[in-house]
Amino acid sequence: EIVMTQSPATLSVSPGERATLSCRASQSVSSNLAWYQQKPGQAPRLLIYGASTRATGIPARFSGSGSGTEFTLTISSLQSEDFAVYYCQQYNNWPTFGQGTKVEIK
Amino acid sequence: EVQLVQSGAEVKKPGESLKISCKGSGYSFTSYWIGWVRQMPGKGLEWMGIIYPGDSDTRYSPSFQGQVTISADKSISTAYLQWSSLKASDTAMYYCARHQVYKAAADAFDIWGQGTMVTVSS
Repeated sequence: EIVMTQSPATLSVSPGERATLSCRASQSVSSNLAWYQQKPGQAPRLLIYGASTRATGIPARFSGSGSGTEFTLTISSLQSEDFAVYYCQQYNNWPTFGQGTKVEIK
Repeated sequence: EVQLVQSGAEVKKPGESLKISCKGSGYSFTSYWIGWVRQMPGKGLEWMGIIYPGDSDTRYSPSFQGQVTISADKSISTAYLQWSSLKASDTAMYYCARHQVYKAAADAFDIWGQGTMVTVSS
């Protein structure tokens, strides 16, 4: 099983600031990496797939980068609606999710 | 509108059986893989398995193989997740979700159901 490790567990950011979330795979997943956002009481929402392609309707302030084992999700200027939990998922081989990063208001 | 609508919350006793559903609409149900994802209370997401409704090809995470059964009835555009004997540790929210790309077996989930909360308690 490929283990996905996200860091940090919690990120405290002020509105308008930049947030950088990391995701590391225990072995290469190529670019088969997605990012999801989940708000309390809601289903996850796809943000990024293929490591760097924004899903339909996702604002340009969300960007993804990386390949192989190291990936990053960047939110360029945090809006109030962006405070949530973010998960990475590899779908290269027997899909697995990271444990999540909670982005909270500083 | 492309959507997945799941069945309602369930409260069951240990040892009971259960089958929850996920109905797709607004797209060709038989042409996209559907998966199930578990989220235990206060925890993260766990990929359970996927099914291709067109031919019922099914793949399970090793962690869930033998613990649950995934099936689909393409005539009514519905996928299912079932248990033969529930345990308290099955208490969780269960989401169905659709793969993004037509016929792609390895893919991200772009459309999610609203979730079905399953509570198992004596």
